[in-house]
Amino acid sequence: GAGVSQSPSNKVTEKGKDVELRCDPISGHTALYWYRQSLGQGLEFLIYFQGNSAPDKSGLPSDRFSAERTGGSVSTLTIQRTQQEDSAVYLCASSRDGTDTQYFGPGTRLTVL
Amino acid sequence: QKEVEQNSGPLSVPEGAIASLNCTYSDRVSQSFFWYRQYSGKSPELIMSIYSNGDKEDGRFTAQLNKASQYVSLLIRDSQPSDSATYLCAVNGYTGFQKLVFGTGTRLLVSP
Repeated sequence: GAGVSQSPSNKVTEKGKDVELRCDPISGHTALYWYRQSLGQGLEFLIYFQGNSAPDKSGLPSDRFSAERTGGSVSTLTIQRTQQEDSAVYLCASSRDGTDTQYFGPGTRLTVL
Repeated sequence: QKEVEQNSGPLSVPEGAIASLNCTYSDRVSQSFFWYRQYSGKSPELIMSIYSNGDKEDGRFTAQLNKASQYVSLLIRDSQPSDSATYLCAVNGYTGFQKLVFGTGTRLLVSP
């Protein structure tokens, strides 16, 4: 079956611009996670969705970052006024429920010039 | 202090040897532990999970957990060049959902 998909695969933007990253989870998976992987760093948890609600958004690094999930499916991570330190690979994962194995998407590589 | 520590490597082993990857964690209430494999430019994939002290074997992979020492390891027997990848240790200290804390990974190189 189809796995987790993310778009775009690559995004180059200028400092100060807003970007939107999209995640399509595996069909039927109620839990959705966003992570960030910077060069030489481990995966950093950003936010967790269960259905359309986000019980844990403690990992969002600043108020420039926001995320939403609609219809219990697609999620969008928005970064406003991008900074160079936002450059990273943004990974989305989904799981059947919040306690099950997480399956990762291919990621979006964001480069802020 | 990092919550999950791994040696960045690279760990180089010859084909057919046993590769031993180690991970320590700081949160004593951590409840579940995972090893993910990540090939260069690809996303992580789960290869092992372990929840209780002792060993858990799956094919050529064995995960070992020692909660008293806050230590988890992954052994890969009969290493193959296709095992060359970065191995990420992840720890979950939460109930209710998997809020994973990842180490920075150990790069494994298996030479033919």
